Amino acid sequence: NAGVMQNPRHLVRRRGQEARLRCSPMKGHSHVYWYRQLPEEGLKFMVYLQKENIIDESGMPKERFSAEFPKEGPSILRIQQVVRGDSAAYFCASSPARPRGTEAFFGQGTRLTVV
Amino acid sequence: AQSVTQLDSHVSVSEGTPVLLRCNYSSSYSPSLFWYVQHPNKGLQLLLKYTSAATLVKGINGFEAEFKKSETSFHLTKPSAHMSDAAEYFCVVSDRITGNQFYFGTGTSLTVIP
Repeated sequence: NAGVMQNPRHLVRRRGQEARLRCSPMKGHSHVYWYRQLPEEGLKFMVYLQKENIIDESGMPKERFSAEFPKEGPSILRIQQVVRGDSAAYFCASSPARPRGTEAFFGQGTRLTVV
Repeated sequence: AQSVTQLDSHVSVSEGTPVLLRCNYSSSYSPSLFWYVQHPNKGLQLLLKYTSAATLVKGINGFEAEFKKSETSFHLTKPSAHMSDAAEYFCVVSDRITGNQFYFGTGTSLTVIP
């Protein structure tokens, strides 16, 4: 059973470009979470999705950021018109059920660098 | 609302000596608590979890943690540190009844001195 797969592992974008980060959850998991980690900081919650639905997006910036988890295919975190401050590690996690007694399994992360 | 406070941002121990990483939580209802470890430039690996069963939880690599409701604590311990334990450790809480996300502490960086 493969773990949570994130790609790319490293992504370099120029200011103003778009960044697309992909996350394939573990087999059998229909709940996906995105977190952002800035240097020397902990993980900050961004969004929680279940297949085709956004459950909680309270941590998502109001502009330029969006996330989806379609019926088929990976979850996508999309950042439009990237700025230097978007440079961070973005982690995806999945779980088989809501986070009520179950743990999340994390991917290796995508390290985004905006130049 | 849920939150986690990791009381030490950095801990340094000598190889072979005990490890104690402190975590206090705040949870409205019934918490589930986790410890994750992150090695440099790697993802997060689950060390152990508490979800309402035994209050003393044993995890991988010799780590264990004790849930103390009266103290709202979930400290991580290991009897004898190994060089490979050097990493960042995160205490995480979710709510077992209403949780919609996992709340992370700011992390504790563990250094093991040979």
